[in-house]
Amino acid sequence: DAKTTQPNSMESNEEEPVHLPCNHSTISGTDYIHWYRQLPSQGPEYVIHGLTSNVNNRMASLAIAEDRKSSTLILHRATLRDAAVYYCILSRSGGGADGLTFGKGTHLIIQP
Amino acid sequence: KAGVTQTPRYLIKTRGQQVTLSCSPISGHRSVSWYQQTPGQGLQFLFEYFSETQRNKGNFPGRFSGRQFSNSRSEMNVSTLELGDSALYLCASSLTWGGQRGYTFGSGTRLTVV
Repeated sequence: DAKTTQPNSMESNEEEPVHLPCNHSTISGTDYIHWYRQLPSQGPEYVIHGLTSNVNNRMASLAIAEDRKSSTLILHRATLRDAAVYYCILSRSGGGADGLTFGKGTHLIIQP
Repeated sequence: KAGVTQTPRYLIKTRGQQVTLSCSPISGHRSVSWYQQTPGQGLQFLFEYFSETQRNKGNFPGRFSGRQFSNSRSEMNVSTLELGDSALYLCASSLTWGGQRGYTFGSGTRLTVV
């Protein structure tokens, strides 16, 4: 399975934008890029996903590099509630998907 | 609408016993996946069910099994419990299998084996 590489931790200030990077140099043409986050004592929460084009939703934006070997999750205005572990995951499309392979993720710390 | 419901929330079992965990997916979701989360190994995929059929399986021993009912509810069973099975067990549901539309996770069942 294609793997992802994320920084172990990042720190940002409240009300500032946060850019969480993810490298996936071995991504295949049918791999979707998913982002999930996990707050303390909760199950993971879906944030956003995309294939080739940049994506926006009410939670975040996903910027995908043209060669698809990296992507960035953008939180436009971080709040204390955004402090969580963020996982960047590749998931194959259609049949044969092998579940989500979670790595260590990025521990995002938000300073007030 | 109601989220993914897992029962029970907490469970304490003795080594050698068996345990059954339950998961009710979001209404209309036909895929249910199970994950194990431990501090050492992180989140690991157990299996995924869709339309009562197991579609994918992770790298876990045969002591871990599951099933899905016609109403999409799922159960996971672990037989002959070992101390290392102590973990948070998470269930996730999705409209389709493979999760291309994203999974919704429950809050998990915390299993402690003593």
